[in-house]
Amino acid sequence: SQKIEQNSEALNIQEGKTATLTCNYTNYSPAYLQWYRQDPGRGPVFLLLIRENEKEKRKERLKVTFDTTLKQSLFHITASQPADSATYLCALDTGGFKTIFGAGTRLFVKA
Amino acid sequence: DADVTQTPRNRITKTGKRIMLECSQTKGHDRMYWYRQDPGLGLRLIYYSFDVKDINKGEISDGYSVSRQAQAKFSLSLESAIPNQTALYFCATSDSRGRGETQYFGPGTRLLVL
Repeated sequence: SQKIEQNSEALNIQEGKTATLTCNYTNYSPAYLQWYRQDPGRGPVFLLLIRENEKEKRKERLKVTFDTTLKQSLFHITASQPADSATYLCALDTGGFKTIFGAGTRLFVKA
Repeated sequence: DADVTQTPRNRITKTGKRIMLECSQTKGHDRMYWYRQDPGLGLRLIYYSFDVKDINKGEISDGYSVSRQAQAKFSLSLESAIPNQTALYFCATSDSRGRGETQYFGPGTRLLVL
């Protein structure tokens, strides 16, 4: 069956360090992958989209990689700040513009 | 995102009651979605609509129904609420003209069924 896995354990890092979150998937061949940020009690907010023919995408302090051979995406936040603390969701296209979301990884950045 | 609004934001109801959750958007998007979110399970798609005359079931549509009253409005109904429908519900929109991948979410409705 189709499956998306994100680390269910929270990630705790020190301010200024790079946070790296992982998204693994099985039984998909997505045309693109997205990352969203969700704060407690609020709806997810789109951050980045990377297509299957792109290896890497950057936006300010954010970087996403997409390895279709490993079926994995890595999401990096460089020079992390306490304001980056949130849950980060990965989302995959399943074709026909339908999207499947992972359960998310909670990030805590300590000052 | 203020462009997608949901009402009510919080609702407590009793088993067997019918309730409606409403979603409105001012983004001009043609596609609208209803998800529920449970701890550890992520977002699961209940129903989606690609235009006013197009309604489709998602992966967990049993016990729910929807109505697309206009391009800007998409409502979700629980005909006879049960406790395992207690969850956080999100409405989202996307724009097919922009390839439709990115979704814009409302603030959510927290529903408790007693």
